[in-house]
Amino acid sequence: AQKITQTQPGMFVQEKEAVTLDCTYDTSDPSYGLFWYKQPSSGEMIFLIYQGSYDQQNATEGRYSLNFQKARKSANLVISASQLGDSAMYFCAMRAKNTGTASKLTFGTGTRLQVTL
Amino acid sequence: GAGVSQSPSNKVTEKGKDVELRCDPISGHTALYWYRQRLGQGLEFLIYFQGNSAPDKSGLPSDRFSAERTGESVSTLTIQRTQQEDSAVYLCASSWEYGEQYFGPGTRLTVT
Repeated sequence: AQKITQTQPGMFVQEKEAVTLDCTYDTSDPSYGLFWYKQPSSGEMIFLIYQGSYDQQNATEGRYSLNFQKARKSANLVISASQLGDSAMYFCAMRAKNTGTASKLTFGTGTRLQVTL
Repeated sequence: GAGVSQSPSNKVTEKGKDVELRCDPISGHTALYWYRQRLGQGLEFLIYFQGNSAPDKSGLPSDRFSAERTGESVSTLTIQRTQQEDSAVYLCASSWEYGEQYFGPGTRLTVT
């Protein structure tokens, strides 16, 4: 079974600062993928970034980067130069298979990020 | 191109009634997923469809829940004899076989 743990129920960050949202995972599957999604107050789930378990480099997408530490089973999301529009819930998720047939995502409980002036 | 759409956006029903929730995936996406999100919580997997393969129903919480998908298009999630604990947002997602999941806006179900 897969498990995702997000230990920060809420985080505050000042505008233009960087923030790290923590995510640890547990799986016995050697091949897996890790995802981060953003959920604004409107409720939609927005895909941010993906990291495969065999990827050699940390994933980056614009202001988002994923600090992947495989030995520690952590996949922290780093948001640089925070903006007011970044205020939202952030979910870490894992898919059991990195490649191959699509499969379900297992989600953490989320971190609510609040960006302040 | 259109994203994933879901209807209705909100549904209020009385305990014991049946409800049907609809999902229209992104055209061409072979995989379709249903998740449930209770207030203040993360998403729980319910069921997924992949092409013509048998669906993975391992997340359905009880036999009151069922889902169908017509080919690689529309899916319907049915909850029979609704209970108050069924109140949640029901999210649908679709993807290419190897791709990230794109989510719809969800259906907020309230059972009174």
